[in-house]
Amino acid sequence: AQSVAQPEDQVNVAEGNPLTVKCTYSVSGNPYLFWYVQYPNRGLQFLLKYITGDNLVKGSYGFEAEFNKSQTSFHLKKPSALVSDSALYFCAVRDRNSGNTPLVFGKGTRLSVIA
Amino acid sequence: EAEVAQSPRYKITEKSQAVAFWCDPISGHATLYWYRQILGQGPELLVQFQDESVVDDSQLPKDRFSAERLKGVDSTLKIQPAELGDSAMYLCASSLNSWSYEQYFGPGTRLTVT
Repeated sequence: AQSVAQPEDQVNVAEGNPLTVKCTYSVSGNPYLFWYVQYPNRGLQFLLKYITGDNLVKGSYGFEAEFNKSQTSFHLKKPSALVSDSALYFCAVRDRNSGNTPLVFGKGTRLSVIA
Repeated sequence: EAEVAQSPRYKITEKSQAVAFWCDPISGHATLYWYRQILGQGPELLVQFQDESVVDDSQLPKDRFSAERLKGVDSTLKIQPAELGDSAMYLCASSLNSWSYEQYFGPGTRLTVT
């Protein structure tokens, strides 16, 4: 069975500082990995994905994530945080070797960027 | 930019009543998903459609929940009777097909059962 762990319920960072939101995953095969962001009273918005190739993936709004197979991690990063980045962030995984398996989400990490 | 539409945005109902949610996916998207997101948790898949056919409803509580996508376009999720534990955000998403990497989410329907 596939699973995602987001070990931090909340991450606080000062505006202009780098931010990291952590994600580790578990799949039986090779993963497809995703990050989504959710603003209050809104649906989830796609940020970026890792499918294959370069381990460093760049996405929307200046976010990037690094796939680390040995550590089974896919941490989300941004060099300089903005107050507008404050939102709920979800990591998700899909096992590419298991047919039409559903996307499995972590429980989310609330990012608060303080001016 | 095309979006997934959902209605209503908010619904308050009493337990034992029936409630229904509607979703209109992005035009041309063959795959439609219904998720339930309980406060403080990530979305969990309830049902997945490929065109008008259900391809995964293993997590749908079939004694009270039903979902349909009769013409392979818009979809309805129904709960009858509603229970207090059904209070959650119900999210609809669509993708071009079941192998598409990206799912596009609607704004959700927040259900409160009293």
